[in-house]
Parts: sequence; structure tokens; C-alpha cells
Amino acid sequence: DAGITQSPRHKVTETGTPVTLRCHQTENHRYMYWYRQDPGHGLRLIHYSYGVKDTDKGEVSDGYSVSRSKTEDFLLTLESATSSQTSVYFCAISGDRFTEAFFGQGTRLTVV
Amino acid sequence: AQKVTQAQTEISVVEKEDVTLDCVYETRDTTYYLFWYKQPPSGELVFLIRRNSFDEQNEISGRYSWNFQKSTSSFNFTITASQVVDSAVYFCALDNYGQNFVFGPGTRLSVLP
Repeated sequence: DAGITQSPRHKVTETGTPVTLRCHQTENHRYMYWYRQDPGHGLRLIHYSYGVKDTDKGEVSDGYSVSRSKTEDFLLTLESATSSQTSVYFCAISGDRFTEAFFGQGTRLTVV
Repeated sequence: AQKVTQAQTEISVVEKEDVTLDCVYETRDTTYYLFWYKQPPSGELVFLIRRNSFDEQNEISGRYSWNFQKSTSSFNFTITASQVVDSAVYFCALDNYGQNFVFGPGTRLSVLP
């Protein structure tokens, strides 16, 4: 199994509070991704990174920011959580362009 | 723009039946890759297959087979002699930028004993 760890695995937070999710990899893969999974939508890309300090927006990036200061860590921050951001968040990694991505176990976030 | 459609929201079969999961994609690019992932009830996403746009050969892996047809922009997945352990949500995905997967909405397969 690919070495990907997401933390926390579960979180309940209040509307308006900032939240940071962490993705840590031990594979030294270049590409890292954050997806959210919602019923009926599959997985939608929030942000991705193609190297240290190199990030770009995905399909549903509004309200989210990311940072990657080290190859192994990719942080997703909800600046001010809203109920619409209640979701399951997956981190993924891939070694090169067009290769398969390997996913973490997911973080279930509930915003109340 | 790229898009993946999985028209079957839910499928239910009895064990040992064959089942085909449909995937239709849209892209203007000539170079792209297609993927299938499995998400069992435990929630993790498991990679099943990757296929590039220049290789239309069908692929078989045990009870799993994939049929790629560029003419119809389809990449269908068949499970032969289904088993209860095949119960999961299956996602088809497209990558044509080399750093971004677009997923379909998924098909929930229930295999009944």
C-alpha cells in the first residue's frame, strides 16, 4: 500500500472556524491532490500540487487554500468553514503525469 | 472540457451473474488516460486499471475485463461471475492534462448472495 496518511480522520467543527487537514506521504511522489467526495458528484478536485511550493486550483477551490512546504506534506485549509464544506476529503499522490493516483483513507469533516 | 458519465447510479445482481458498468467520457484531446477505481464499504479507493488513448485492446484480469472503444468514447468494465466481495462503488476517471483526474459520479454495485 502507498504510504499516505491523512489526519485527522474525523473532525467536527463549527461554522466560521478555520480547519486544516494534513496529508503526509512517504513515497516521495511529486504530485499531490486534495479531493472532496459528495453523493452524486464522485470525487471533485479542490487543489493539487506538482512540486514544493507549486500548487494550482481545481474544480471546486473556492473557500480552500493549500500549502506544500515539503515534498511529503500537503495541507488543505478551510479559511472559514461552512456547512457546504461538510464532506469526505481524500488526499492522493502520483509519481508522474498520467500515472495512477493512490489515495489516503479519507477525512470525514462535519461543519455544524 | 472533459467529463465522465456513469449513467448507472445503482446496480443490483445476484452472485455469479455477470455485470457491466458503463463509462462514457468527453475530451477534445487525443492523448488521455482512463482509469477505474473501486471504493468498497470500508471507504478507501482502490486503483484497478489505467488505459491510454492509443491502446484500444481489451484487457482481462481474472474476473475483471475492460472494453475501450474510442469510436463511442466508452470504457466499460465487466465483472464475470460476480461475488459478494465485489459490492462497492466503482468510479471511472479521465486524465488528459497529466495532473488532474476527472471522476464520474460512480456506480454502486450490490451483489446479493
